[in-house]
Parts: sequence; C-alpha cells; structure tokens
Amino acid sequence: RKEVEQDPGPFNVPEGATVAFNCTYSNSASQSFFWYRQDCRKEPKLLMSVYSSGNEDGRFTAQLNRASQYISLLIRDSKLSDSATYLCVVAWGPYSGGGADGLTFGKGTHLIIQP
Amino acid sequence: NAGVMQNPRHLVRRRGQEARLRCSPMKGHSHVYWYRQLPEEGLKFMVYLQKENIIDESGMPKERFSAEFPKEGPSILRIQQVVRGDSAAYFCASSRIREGINRDNTEAFFGQGTRLTVV
Repeated sequence: RKEVEQDPGPFNVPEGATVAFNCTYSNSASQSFFWYRQDCRKEPKLLMSVYSSGNEDGRFTAQLNRASQYISLLIRDSKLSDSATYLCVVAWGPYSGGGADGLTFGKGTHLIIQP
Repeated sequence: NAGVMQNPRHLVRRRGQEARLRCSPMKGHSHVYWYRQLPEEGLKFMVYLQKENIIDESGMPKERFSAEFPKEGPSILRIQQVVRGDSAAYFCASSRIREGINRDNTEAFFGQGTRLTVV
C-alpha cells in the first residue's frame, strides 16, 4: 500500500511562535495533497488543499516538493486553538479519467500550543 | 446540503454480537472510505468503495469484517462476533469521482463517526 509518513510529535510550541511540519509520501504518481485537522475525538476536517505552486490561507502556508516527495505545513503566530492533530493526505493513482484512485492518510502530527 | 451522515453515533454491543455501521455519503459523492481509530491512535484505513465495488480492502481484517456500498442506500460496515478489541471510533469519508483533467476539489469529507463499545 502507498505510504504517507509524518512525525507524530507531540510538538510543544509557545503561543505566538511559528511551527512547521513535513509529510513524506512514497508514490511518485500521487496527484492531490491535503492537510486535515483533527480535534480530540472528533472527525477530521479539511484544513487546506496543497497546490504545486504552494498556497497560503491566513496564518497557514502549505508547500509541495514533488522532487523530494514531501509536503509541508507552516503555521505562523500560533494560537491556543491551533492545538490539534494535523493529518497529511495524499491521493494517488495515475490520471485515468475517473479511475480507482483513492486517499491515504498519514497518522498525524500532534501539536500543542502552550500559553 | 447535508454532509456525510453516519449512524448510529454510539453503539454498544456485547461480545459475540454483530455491529452494523451506516454511512450516507454527501450528495454527488460516489467514493466512500472507512477508517478506524483506536483510543490515542491515528486513523487506520480499512476499505475504499465505489458504488457496488470494493476498490481496496487491504486495511480490513480478513475475518469478521465486511463492507458494502450498494447501488441504492448507505454504505454498511459490518462486524460479526465483535470482541473487545473492536471498540473504537469508526469514521466514514466520501469524495467526488475524479473525471477529466480537473482533479481539484477531490478532497474527502468525514462523518462524525460511530463510537463502538464492546462490553
């Protein structure tokens, strides 16, 4: 099965700091990339998609490095409410016009923002 | 536009009973994924289905577990003869089919999960 690897952490970071984590994927044919956030005992929710050119959404920046097969998430000016588990998600499969490609989730990186 | 609906939210079963977990995907979604999350652990992939087809069941235990996604109705994850180790949160996610060159907006959306407790 295709693999997605993340550092499980926990990352303990003071409020206001910048934190970054990476995720590596094994399948070079991977097509789409996402970051999800999961709060304790709740369902994962989409945080942002990751585009080839990199993208930013407020305090969050996501980047993709296809050559090295990793994606990253940067959180600036971290807030207490950012404490959560961040899941890296990769969609694999060659382009086949609707073929049977699917999603692989990493096990998540646990982030704790401390006051 | 309702999101992914899972029911029941909580399910208690005695050892040896059967558990049936239901998942209705978002409107327009034809891909369904089931994940299991044990306490204090990450999401573990179980099975990926499209309508009437199991695409990938590599994460599903070989015995007692089965899944289906019929042409009509919700996807069902069935666990026969449950044991205490089956106690976990079971999440379902759905996504759109990818067609054509535009492969954007193919992210998955999750239901709120079914928390299974085996006593």
